[in-house]
Amino acid sequence: AQSVTQLGSHVSVSEGALVLLRCNYSSSVPPYLFWYVQYPNQGLQLLLKYTSAATLVKGINGFEAEFKKSETSFHLTKPSAHMSDAAEYFCAVSDNTDKLIFGTGTRLQVFP
Amino acid sequence: EPEVTQTPSHQVTQMGQEVILRCVPISNHLYFYWYRQILGQKVEFLVSFYNNEISEKSEIFDDQFSVERPDGSNFTLKIRSTKLEDSAMYFCASEASGGNEQFFGPGTRLTVL
Repeated sequence: AQSVTQLGSHVSVSEGALVLLRCNYSSSVPPYLFWYVQYPNQGLQLLLKYTSAATLVKGINGFEAEFKKSETSFHLTKPSAHMSDAAEYFCAVSDNTDKLIFGTGTRLQVFP
Repeated sequence: EPEVTQTPSHQVTQMGQEVILRCVPISNHLYFYWYRQILGQKVEFLVSFYNNEISEKSEIFDDQFSVERPDGSNFTLKIRSTKLEDSAMYFCASEASGGNEQFFGPGTRLTVL
């Protein structure tokens, strides 16, 4: 069965600092992996996805993630945090059935 | 840009009452999903729907839940007799045929008193 583990329920960074949000997955089949962002009182917006093409995936708002099969990881990074990046970030995995299995989320705080 | 819409944005109901949550998926999409997020918890899969039938459902989706696509545009989630623990944000999502991206609606916040 597929599962996702997000290390760190809260991450705080200073504006301009590197953002690193961790995600490890477990999957018995080649996975599709996703990062979604949820701003307060809003729905889920797709940041980026990995679907077995390039292992380094670039998404919206300057975010990117690297699929590392050997480490079963799909960490999300952004070189320079912006105040508007403050939100909840969810990593998700899907298998052949297409349903998404979400991690518990990481709340990103950005300080001036 | 096409988007998934959901109504109402907030529904308050008494325990034991029936509720229907409505979703309008993106028009050319063929796969539909419901997820829920209890306050402070992760998003959980409820059910997927394709070709007018349920493709997969989670253990959360018991006999109190049902889904329907009553016409060519709406996709509904019905909870027959709500419980306090049904209070959550409910998200609808849709996906195109051959696609691998689910588009989410803004959610309906259900509060059961």
